[in-house]
Order: sequence, then C-alpha cells, then structure tokens
Amino acid sequence: EADIYQTPRYLVIGTGKKITLECSQTMGHDKMYWYQQDPGMELHLIHYSYGVNSTEKGDLSSESTVSRIRTEHFPLTLESARPSHTSQYLCASSEDRGSYEQYFGPGTRLTVT
Amino acid sequence: KNEVEQSPQNLTAQEGEFITINCSYSVGISALHWLQQHPGGGIVSLFMLSSGKKKHGRLIATINIQEKHSSLHITASHPRDSAVYICAVYRHSGSRLTFGEGTQLTVNP
Repeated sequence: EADIYQTPRYLVIGTGKKITLECSQTMGHDKMYWYQQDPGMELHLIHYSYGVNSTEKGDLSSESTVSRIRTEHFPLTLESARPSHTSQYLCASSEDRGSYEQYFGPGTRLTVT
Repeated sequence: KNEVEQSPQNLTAQEGEFITINCSYSVGISALHWLQQHPGGGIVSLFMLSSGKKKHGRLIATINIQEKHSSLHITASHPRDSAVYICAVYRHSGSRLTFGEGTQLTVNP
C-alpha cells in the first residue's frame, strides 16, 4: 500500500481565500506530481517536481503554485480561490529510477463558492 | 484525437459476467498503467506492464506493443468492481503519464 497522504480530503471555501493543499509521501520518492480532475473527466497534470527545489508546470495551465523544499512534501497553493478552481486535486509520487510507477494519494475535493 | 483512447466509455454488466475494457494508444511508450478510481475519488494502481500479461485475483491485463493495444479483463464480476477504470501510458521520453478518459463500469447484482 502506497504511503502518500493528502489533506484536507474535502474543502469548501469562499471566493478570494488563499488555500494550500498538502501532499506528503514517506517512500523517499524524488518525483512528485499534482493532477487536476473535473467530474467525469480525465486527469490533467498541472505541476511536477523531480526533486528538492525543482518544480515545473504540467500540461494543463493552472493558476496554482507549488513548492518542494523537502523531499517528502509537495504543497499546492491557490492565492485567491475562484469557483473555476472547483475540482478534485490528486497528488502522486514515483521513484527516480527503476520502476517509475506512480502512486496516488486519496485526493482533495475542492469546492469554491 | 486523444493519444490514449479507451472503449467503451460506459459499461453496465450483471454480476458474474466477464468484462473487457480496451485501451489503444498512438504514441511510443515504455509501460502502461491500469488504474481504478472509486466514487470517493482515490486512485488505486491495478497493473503496470510493458509486455505480455499479468494476473491478480480476478483481474487480468494484457498488452500488445506492436498493435499498441491493451485490455483489462475482469472475471466473475461483482458489484464492488463498480468504478472508473483508467488506462495511462508512460511515454518513452520519461515517467510522465498520459491518461485515457476512463471507463465507467457498473456491475448490478
């Protein structure tokens, strides 16, 4: 079983608020990813990191930002939440070599009112 | 045209039926991932394969690299198998995943 955690699992917040979605993994994986998934739709990569102090934007443009100060921690921040940010956000991690199978967290379901 | 396409998009079956979900891709890959997503949203890895066939319990996954096609089979389906099944590929160029749109499976008792 993968040891990757996301908090909160559910969040309802008003427009304009700053929010941080937490993602942590205890597997020592160098690579971490954030995906956004609208209901009934496929996952889209919005950010990824190949290690500490490394962050890159993904395939889908996002107003969120990420940081990678510690290997195990990859938080995602929205400075000013809007209703268009309502979605599910999934975090994943993988090894840097050998099997690069991705392990997914349980997700955070965000609703911006 | 999506680089990873799944069929069918929706599938309803009766308990006990044999189920097949198909995945075709148009890019070079190093491996393919079958994932399961339950209504709560969390994603569970079922298989990662780059050739041949893998089996785990009632689940079987096959891949044909030459034909760029993979199938996920569920034998003796059960209502608890109801979920979205997602095919995703690892491109040759790295470990980033490209996802299919998923297949919504409903197994009725």
